[in-house]
Amino acid sequence: QVTLKESGPALVEPTQTLTLTCTFSGFSLSTRGMRVSWIRQPPGKALEWLARVDWDDDKFYSTSLKTRLTISKDTSKNQVVLTMTNMDPVDTATYYCARTLFPEARVFWHDYWGQGTLVTVSS
Amino acid sequence: QSVLMQPPSVSGAPGQRVTVSCTGSVSDIGAGSDVHWYQQLPGTAPKLLIYRNTRRPSGVPDRFSGSKSGASASLAITGLQAEDEADYYCQSYDINLDASVFGGGTKLTVL
Repeated sequence: QVTLKESGPALVEPTQTLTLTCTFSGFSLSTRGMRVSWIRQPPGKALEWLARVDWDDDKFYSTSLKTRLTISKDTSKNQVVLTMTNMDPVDTATYYCARTLFPEARVFWHDYWGQGTLVTVSS
Repeated sequence: QSVLMQPPSVSGAPGQRVTVSCTGSVSDIGAGSDVHWYQQLPGTAPKLLIYRNTRRPSGVPDRFSGSKSGASASLAITGLQAEDEADYYCQSYDINLDASVFGGGTKLTVL
């Protein structure tokens, strides 16, 4: 059974750095083909993909946010960590981690999602 | 503004059939990237509903079906039920950005 769960602060102040942890079970990020993405959703708005880390430690970022994001994995702990610098109130959103499948070119989807964690940016 | 275009809302009476469209571009759906659909019930995380254009994960009723043609895709829901009231998102892969891209979401109201 695949499960993912996000954890991190519910409130951060503007200009601070946000650190979120995704703890998962039911698969291993050391297994070829496994990947985990972070996706966010501002209140009442659409989903936005942020970043992805692959089993071989390849990392990919949203073009618009790449200067602010860092994704990493700890295979021994079954965790993926996302940091986002210089937080702003527009970054207020529910942040999800999701297992990501990419078995061949142009075939990329998120099959299991965490419950999400709401992060509010405010002073 | 989302990369993939969806109607903001659709509605239908119980038992009816509704469709949700998803329009992409030459760098995602039009480039041959598969389309996937997610259902988000109020206050919950998105759940995979359709993957690889037409396939249903185990447990998803066959009332839900997907199709793709050219740079567009559609989600069809037949035999509408009150429990289908949710937001529906399409998702694909942008070959130029090397990124997952989502639609703006469609709110389904069951009348």
